[in-house]
Amino acid sequence: GDSVTQMEGPVTLSEEAFLTINCTYTATGYPSLFWYVQYPGEGLQLLLKATKADDKGSNKGFEATYRKETTSFHLEKGSVQVSDSAVYFCALKVTGGGNKLTFGTGTQLKVEL
Amino acid sequence: DVKVTQSSRYLVKRTGEKVFLECVQDMDHENMFWYRQDPGLGLRLIYFSYDVKMKEKGDIPEGYSVSREKKERFSLILESASTNQTSMYLCASSLNLGYGYTFGSGTRLTVV
Repeated sequence: GDSVTQMEGPVTLSEEAFLTINCTYTATGYPSLFWYVQYPGEGLQLLLKATKADDKGSNKGFEATYRKETTSFHLEKGSVQVSDSAVYFCALKVTGGGNKLTFGTGTQLKVEL
Repeated sequence: DVKVTQSSRYLVKRTGEKVFLECVQDMDHENMFWYRQDPGLGLRLIYFSYDVKMKEKGDIPEGYSVSREKKERFSLILESASTNQTSMYLCASSLNLGYGYTFGSGTRLTVV
């Protein structure tokens, strides 16, 4: 079946450090890929998405590139801020899969001053 | 902006009670979903619906049922609550393929 694997957290960084959160996937079809963010006490918000190979999704300084050859969608940010502290979820949706999203287990990011 | 509203942020119920979790969206989305979120397990799909009166089982439907009588409302029902159903419950909706979901703020349910 479809699945998403994320690096385990927590990831602790100093402010202005470079961030990478790894995400790889397996899918029976040709998926769309997403990153969601969950701030403390809130629901999930869509951060960025990519719908085909080599697409780059970007938002709020975060980027992720859809790499079909490595089945990956790693999240990156050049300079993190304390306000980026949250849990980040990678997810996929396969066309014809009933519009269901399959999520990874989430990676907690803590950014310190 | 699409808004997905879950009726309660926190809920405490007793074992064996029948529990209703309500979710309402205001943008005419066809698809609605219920997930539960547990530490180390991420989000797991309980049920989803792609139209009024239609429902499909997700990955962990046991112990739950759902109701969708109107397009904007999707209810999750715990027929007889148990302590292993203590969790964060997240409702989401989406328009169609290729779009992401819009999530509600979640309901943290504790069963004692």
